[in-house]
Amino acid sequence: DAGVTQTPRHEVAEKGQTIILKCEPVSGHNDLFWYRQTKIQGLELLSYFRSKSLMEDGGAFKDRFKAEMLNSSFSTLKIQPTEPKDSAVYLCASSFGHSYEQYFGPGTRLTVL
Amino acid sequence: GQQVQQSPASLVLQEGENAELQCNFSTSLNSMQWFYQRPGGSLVSLFYNPSGTKHSGRLTSTTVIKERRSSLHISSSQTTDSGTYLCALADTNAYKVIFGKGTHLHVLP
Repeated sequence: DAGVTQTPRHEVAEKGQTIILKCEPVSGHNDLFWYRQTKIQGLELLSYFRSKSLMEDGGAFKDRFKAEMLNSSFSTLKIQPTEPKDSAVYLCASSFGHSYEQYFGPGTRLTVL
Repeated sequence: GQQVQQSPASLVLQEGENAELQCNFSTSLNSMQWFYQRPGGSLVSLFYNPSGTKHSGRLTSTTVIKERRSSLHISSSQTTDSGTYLCALADTNAYKVIFGKGTHLHVLP
């Protein structure tokens, strides 16, 4: 079985650009999480989908970050417009049966110049 | 204040020594998970352990909900155990997942 896949693995953007990160959860998993990881803040939850319904939209991240679950096997995270402080690793995770037992993808390293 | 605290923040061991990593939490718990992360790598699940004790090879995880703590014990450490260990608490009443800041472990040969 394939694990969680994320594309691209690396992204470089200019300030003000729009970027879209993609995630495919483990087949059959019905919950999906997006996180941001930085050295200073650690791991922060950006959004949580339960069976495609958005349950957590990340509070302070809401204004420029938008996650969508287009179908049960594909999710996107849009950052618009990007700022240099958005430089981080973005991680996607999925779980089965609302258990919160999470399986993580390899992440996308975003650099905003 | 911080809802999930990990200790110690960093730890240096000589190969063969044991380690006890702690995760203390101040919010309600529905699930607890321990992860391992190499520099530049993703998170690898070690244990999903909402309560009780679980074993896997040289690793043991114990979660005691009443005492609001979870621990990860590494026995007979090896240089390949070096990396960051993270605990994650899910507060399912609030649909939130909170990660600790991690314990950075370095095992010397």
